[in-house]
Amino acid sequence: GESVGLHLPTLSVQEGDNSIINCAYSNSASDYFIWYKQESGKGPQFIIDIRSNMDKRQGQRVTVLLNKTVKHLSLQIAATQPGDSAVYFCAESRMEYGNKLVFGAGTILRVKS
Amino acid sequence: NAGVTQTPKFQVLKTGQSMTLQCAQDMNHEYMSWYRQDPGMGLRLIHYSVGAGITDQGEVPNGYNVSRSTTEDFPLRLLSAAPSQTSVYFCASKGRGQPQHFGDGTRLSIL
Repeated sequence: GESVGLHLPTLSVQEGDNSIINCAYSNSASDYFIWYKQESGKGPQFIIDIRSNMDKRQGQRVTVLLNKTVKHLSLQIAATQPGDSAVYFCAESRMEYGNKLVFGAGTILRVKS
Repeated sequence: NAGVTQTPKFQVLKTGQSMTLQCAQDMNHEYMSWYRQDPGMGLRLIHYSVGAGITDQGEVPNGYNVSRSTTEDFPLRLLSAAPSQTSVYFCASKGRGQPQHFGDGTRLSIL
């Protein structure tokens, strides 16, 4: 989920298990949502996106679920691997505003081998 | 295809100095943006541009200027650096119907 200040929430999972990272977004008018992965010293890397007319979208090993009623977004990673260790950010935008992204604070995912 | 290229990767400034952070993309994207990332926080939008000659303010524009004279380049200027501007700066670009692609950042320290 979201956090304030320096203390990001951390999710620790065993290699091979499934991971679920949650995000509460703020603007009920947002209609486009993205998950990014950020490794140390790198810029955010696109994982998967979803538009508000959908409630689920699947990619390779990843699934994003959108619940507009409670303004909640989740990222599911199947068979988590050590290379999945990173900080994960959700971001929201309203398409009509030029896709300006509003980011959550992030969640640290640690994968134990 | 280099994507989004940011220079320099690291920079240390003294309070009051000026500096330009460079950002270039080779994907012919119309939309470009600058974000800053502070410890334990998500990225916050500074300025953005929807095309050459057009710029607008984001969430935290104070202390920063931008210009967009070409499609490829979107420099960010700090006119008089302050310690509060110590951060990691990310540039991003996007094409129509695509997600934003980010560079690897410029780590800026202001003493």
